[in-house]
Amino acid sequence: GQQVMQIPQYQHVQEGEDFTTYCNSSTTLSNIQWYKQRPGGHPVFLIQLVKSGEVKKQKRLTFQFGEAKKNSSLHITATQTTDVGTYFCAGTRMDSSYKLIFGSGTRLLVRP
Amino acid sequence: EAQVTQNPRYLITVTGKKLTVTCSQNMNHEYMSWYRQDPGLGLRQIYYSMNVEVTDKGDVPEGYKVSRKEKRNFPLILESPSPNQTSLYFCASSLDRVKGEAFFGQGTRLTVV
Repeated sequence: GQQVMQIPQYQHVQEGEDFTTYCNSSTTLSNIQWYKQRPGGHPVFLIQLVKSGEVKKQKRLTFQFGEAKKNSSLHITATQTTDVGTYFCAGTRMDSSYKLIFGSGTRLLVRP
Repeated sequence: EAQVTQNPRYLITVTGKKLTVTCSQNMNHEYMSWYRQDPGLGLRQIYYSMNVEVTDKGDVPEGYKVSRKEKRNFPLILESPSPNQTSLYFCASSLDRVKGEAFFGQGTRLTVV
């Protein structure tokens, strides 16, 4: 079954409000990636986190990887209508297989 | 331009009629994968390939086949499609296992009636 849980499933915010999506894995991950999928589009890579406790920023987006490498979060400050889409986390398991396991995604809607 | 190309983009077919969805990448990537995307379930991996002639099952391989005869191509084959295979399919490629950034194709929306 699904090994990477992502919450919330939907988030509807007013433009200018902040937004956070959380990702939790049942097993330790070697790394975590985040993707954005615009409506009708395909997933596009945003960032990869590898180190325990790592924090990375891309303009208004802040990504964190937990100390135990089992959870991660994406925070958007002051959302804009261009942030609309579904955000997926994806983890690579710490075994010999190459399996990128995706969370179920958080769909973000922004009211102008 | 670096890209992953899938064809067709849309397909409506009947139960039991064999079909192939093609995927090609021009980035010389070793790793390629197929995913299906269904509402509320995110992206689930069907099959992946670590190199030419090396393929392995993902999380939902039943009813699908793949092949990797050349590095750039990774077709998805549905020998006898059924309505529960109606879905949005994505092909993806990655440079290597460590770096892992996946480049996705535009998607193929398949309807099986």
